[in-house]
Amino acid sequence: DAKTTQPNSMESNEEEPVHLPCNHSTISGTDYIHWYRQLPSQGPEYVIHGLTSNVNNRMASLAIAEDRKSSTLILHRATLRDAAVYYCILYTGANSKLTFGKGITLSVRP
Amino acid sequence: EAGVTQFPSHSVIEKGQTVTLRCDPISGHDNLYWYRRVMGKEIKFLLHFVKESKQDESGMPNNRFLAERTGGTYSTLKVQPAELEDSGVYFCASSQRFGLAGVETQYFGPGTRLLVL
Repeated sequence: DAKTTQPNSMESNEEEPVHLPCNHSTISGTDYIHWYRQLPSQGPEYVIHGLTSNVNNRMASLAIAEDRKSSTLILHRATLRDAAVYYCILYTGANSKLTFGKGITLSVRP
Repeated sequence: EAGVTQFPSHSVIEKGQTVTLRCDPISGHDNLYWYRRVMGKEIKFLLHFVKESKQDESGMPNNRFLAERTGGTYSTLKVQPAELEDSGVYFCASSQRFGLAGVETQYFGPGTRLLVL
């Protein structure tokens, strides 16, 4: 499975934007970039996904580099509820399983 | 719409005993997955059902683990006999399968926290 690299942790202030980076230099042409997050004591939760173009949804935005070797998840206004572990996952759908790495732990200061 | 539910939420058993975990996927979802996180490790895939058929069971750790999905609805994961290293959180997820690969979204349950003493 193609691998992703994320920083271990990041801190943010409430109501400020947060940019969570992810490197995936070995991404293949058919890999989609998916982001999930896991809030404390809950199961993982889908956030957003993209292939080549930047994507927006009600939760976040996903900015994908032109060469697709990196991407950034953007939370426009962090809230305390956004404190979670965020996982960047390359997903082909070929075998459908998700391969989780360590993720990045986001802390949000009030 | 009800989400993925798992039962029990917690289970504490002794080594050598049997435990059965249950997952009820979102209604209409053909895909059902089991994952687990053992202490200090990453979330790992266990297996994948499409309806009642096992599509991929490459992540099952050994033959003490048995997963079933009779009738293509709910699934059970039985651990028999349980060992200390089986302790962890077991997650179930479900999804619909779309025609275009790569855009499938998996919906996770809250997990079952298993502690083997």
